[in-house]
Amino acid sequence: DAGVIQSPRHEVTEMGQEVTLRCKPISGHDYLFWYRQTMMRGLELLIYFNNNVPIDDSGMPEDRFSAKMPNASFSTLKIQPSEPRDSAVYFCASSLAVRKGTQYFGPGTRLLVL
Amino acid sequence: KNEVEQSPQNLTAQEGEFITINCSYSVGISALHWLQQHPGGGIVSLFMLSSGKKKHGRLIATINIQEKHSSLHITASHPRDSAVYICAVKAVGGSQGNLIFGKGTKLSVKP
Repeated sequence: DAGVIQSPRHEVTEMGQEVTLRCKPISGHDYLFWYRQTMMRGLELLIYFNNNVPIDDSGMPEDRFSAKMPNASFSTLKIQPSEPRDSAVYFCASSLAVRKGTQYFGPGTRLLVL
Repeated sequence: KNEVEQSPQNLTAQEGEFITINCSYSVGISALHWLQQHPGGGIVSLFMLSSGKKKHGRLIATINIQEKHSSLHITASHPRDSAVYICAVKAVGGSQGNLIFGKGTKLSVKP
């Protein structure tokens, strides 16, 4: 299996622009997580899905952030409009419930908002 | 106060040394994870444990639920062990995604 795939790997954009991050979980996994990592705050859970349904989005910082999972093999995290403080590494991870929670992380998307 | 505290924040060791990284938490948990983040940024799940001890190669993870403490040990350390090690706990009653992360311990192993 290719593991969790994220795209793009790097994104540089200007403040106010829309940013879309993409994730393909490991086939068969029923949980998908979006995390953000910054130097100041470390890793933070933004939102997670179970069987394509958002379960907990309490970590989403504000209305500028939205996430969707239209099917079991694809999810997006969108920021509109982006701000410099959104600069971070965004990780997607997936897991299989029956394996009791071991999460497999993607390589991350490094976002820089100028 | 953070719910998950790791110590030390930074650790430098010579190749071959025995290394211990500590994690203390203040909430009731059902599981604890140790993650490794490589210098390139990739994150790998090392262990998930809820009691006792687990061993994988030169890595050993222990947990004491009563004391709310876990340790990650690396025997015969090697420069390729250089990484950030992150402790994360799953709170009791928390759903699958309710992981609380420590800030990480940056390990550098010198040849």
